[in-house]
Amino acid sequence: DSGVTQTPKHLITATGQRVTLRCSPRSGDLSVYWYQQSLDQGLQFLIQYYNGEERAKGNILERFSAQQFPDLHSELNLSSLELGDSALYFCASSVGVTGNTIYFGEGSWLTVV
Amino acid sequence: AQRVTQPEKLLSVFKGAPVELKCNYSYSGSPELFWYVQYSRQRLQLLLRHISRESIKGFTADLNKGETSFHLKKPFAQEEDSAMYYCALGMGYSTLTFGKGTMLLVSP
Repeated sequence: DSGVTQTPKHLITATGQRVTLRCSPRSGDLSVYWYQQSLDQGLQFLIQYYNGEERAKGNILERFSAQQFPDLHSELNLSSLELGDSALYFCASSVGVTGNTIYFGEGSWLTVV
Repeated sequence: AQRVTQPEKLLSVFKGAPVELKCNYSYSGSPELFWYVQYSRQRLQLLLRHISRESIKGFTADLNKGETSFHLKKPFAQEEDSAMYYCALGMGYSTLTFGKGTMLLVSP
């Protein structure tokens, strides 16, 4: 167990809807990352937060947003969902902002129907 | 731009055979290279980090800056090694760029 917890584990929703994925980092980790894993795109970095501030942005759509709260947990909000958003969404955490090993959660399976 | 290339989508070997999973990277700075393993759509687990230069589960990887490679090797594959393997590049800050992954299938 890496210590990174994600909820929900599975989610099925309809197109056009909005969902929120939640992540609690390992104890003591200040950085949180979101990754999307799909069959066609592989693992794509979405966004990183460090101690509540956005640190780096990857291939995150404008329909998606994220935040990190004072207690360091993070939420990824996905809106106006499309079929192509169906994927496994991983959260990961690390101690610092640079040069640290990243530990992944078990992921949240999102299916858009 | 930074890029990680894993040229093989699938590598199929027999138990006991040597394994080499290829990884090439493109980055102008000083890279940090990692190998992550994913069993049956579970979480990604760190397998190796080039800085630590250790061997995990019999796997080793050497960073070759001249060839910009970080190939993963194991002399004798086991069935339990069957999994998806991802090479990842860290670029000064912790955000990782992953390759597309290589599925390793070890047959009895």
